[in-house]
Amino acid sequence: ETGVTQSPTHLIKTRGQQVTLRCSSQSGHNTVSWYQQALGQGPQFIFQYYREEENGRGNFPPRFSGLQFPNYSSELNVNALELDDSALYLCASILTAGAYTGELFFGEGSRLTVL
Amino acid sequence: DQQVKQNSPSLSVQEGRISILNCDYTNSMFDYFLWYKKYPAEGPTFLISISSIKDKNEDGRFTVFLNKSAKHLSLHIVPSQPGDSAVYFCAASDSGTYKYIFGTGTRLKVLA
Repeated sequence: ETGVTQSPTHLIKTRGQQVTLRCSSQSGHNTVSWYQQALGQGPQFIFQYYREEENGRGNFPPRFSGLQFPNYSSELNVNALELDDSALYLCASILTAGAYTGELFFGEGSRLTVL
Repeated sequence: DQQVKQNSPSLSVQEGRISILNCDYTNSMFDYFLWYKKYPAEGPTFLISISSIKDKNEDGRFTVFLNKSAKHLSLHIVPSQPGDSAVYFCAASDSGTYKYIFGTGTRLKVLA
């Protein structure tokens, strides 16, 4: 039990549609990251938010965007969905206050299928 | 460019024996390393970490070794148990960024 919850767990969309995935992390974990895990691959870093500001981004196009809210929840939005966006989307929180532990606390993921 | 590589996609080990999972990295700025275990339909679960100031870290049956000169780390599981069967990912970061680069994973199967 990591204290990170994601919704929805599964969803199906069609090409061109938009999707919003949600994440609620632990109190005190003021950094949240989103990862995309395609089948047979490791998680790939999409972006990271700290105190409601994006402060790091991986190699993903601008149609991937996010928000972080003061209550430690966050969203990942993907516009103009493509077939290759089908993947497991993982939210991870990090305790960045105090001593660095570096551990990512992952949620169980949202599995997106784009048809 | 794959900065973190797990060159063995799968590994089978007998119950009770040692499992050794390997990971190589290319970026010398990486100074913090994690191992995660993942079961199907679940998110990755943290196992053990090591920072670049150490060359070994132990937690129960799990030990991680870091060889900075070779840019190589390994996870040892002793003794292996059937419940250890899962996909194992190594991940590396420059601790200033919190951005983790993951390997592609090794599927471990522990045979009873």
